[in-house]
Amino acid sequence: NAGVMQNPRHLVRRRGQEARLRCSPMKGHSHVYWYRQLPEEGLKFMVYLQKENIIDESGMPKERFSAEFPKEGPSILRIQQVVRGDSAAYFCASSQGPGELFFGEGSRLTVL
Amino acid sequence: AQTVTQSQPEMSVQEAETVTLSCTYDTSESDYYLFWYKQPPSRQMILVIRQEAYKQQNATENRFSVNFQKAAKSFSLKISDSQLGDAAMYFCAYRPYSGGGADGLTFGKGTHLIIQP
Repeated sequence: NAGVMQNPRHLVRRRGQEARLRCSPMKGHSHVYWYRQLPEEGLKFMVYLQKENIIDESGMPKERFSAEFPKEGPSILRIQQVVRGDSAAYFCASSQGPGELFFGEGSRLTVL
Repeated sequence: AQTVTQSQPEMSVQEAETVTLSCTYDTSESDYYLFWYKQPPSRQMILVIRQEAYKQQNATENRFSVNFQKAAKSFSLKISDSQLGDAAMYFCAYRPYSGGGADGLTFGKGTHLIIQP
């Protein structure tokens, strides 16, 4: 009974490189959410996706950040031309609909 | 817009004692969920307890219980018989009942719970 799977757990990038984070939701879940957690802070909503659709990206920066959830395969959060301020833990969560969200273990991005 | 406020950045309790973490929220919705999540040093977000707003009875999960005051928009977490493994960040979270859509979770800033042996 696999939970939400995220990879990589840790990612180190130099400024200007691209970071790609993957999330496979729990089996049967069609709703995927991405959150960002800065040190000593709570989780901030970034984007909500269903299969092949971005439903709400109001929490995601307009530039350099993009997300997708293709028909086949995991959801991907892509950060282009990373800067030091992008260093954070990125959490993916999934749900079937109403009720709780189930979280992955997070991907920690460090930008050098 | 919904907001969730946790006014205690840090709490400390002796092992085996009881501690209460407070949370207030603001919403114009009548149906919603409230949650407490625990984030230990491993950083995994673990659901501790959930409450549906339409239920008057306070939720309980073993040593964890809530005091849900809908009119006051208050949702505190009580941990009884505290154990060393309870040490973690605790986040209060809100979600409208409409579910899906943009209605993911809104989190408070968290309370760091320290357990003194």
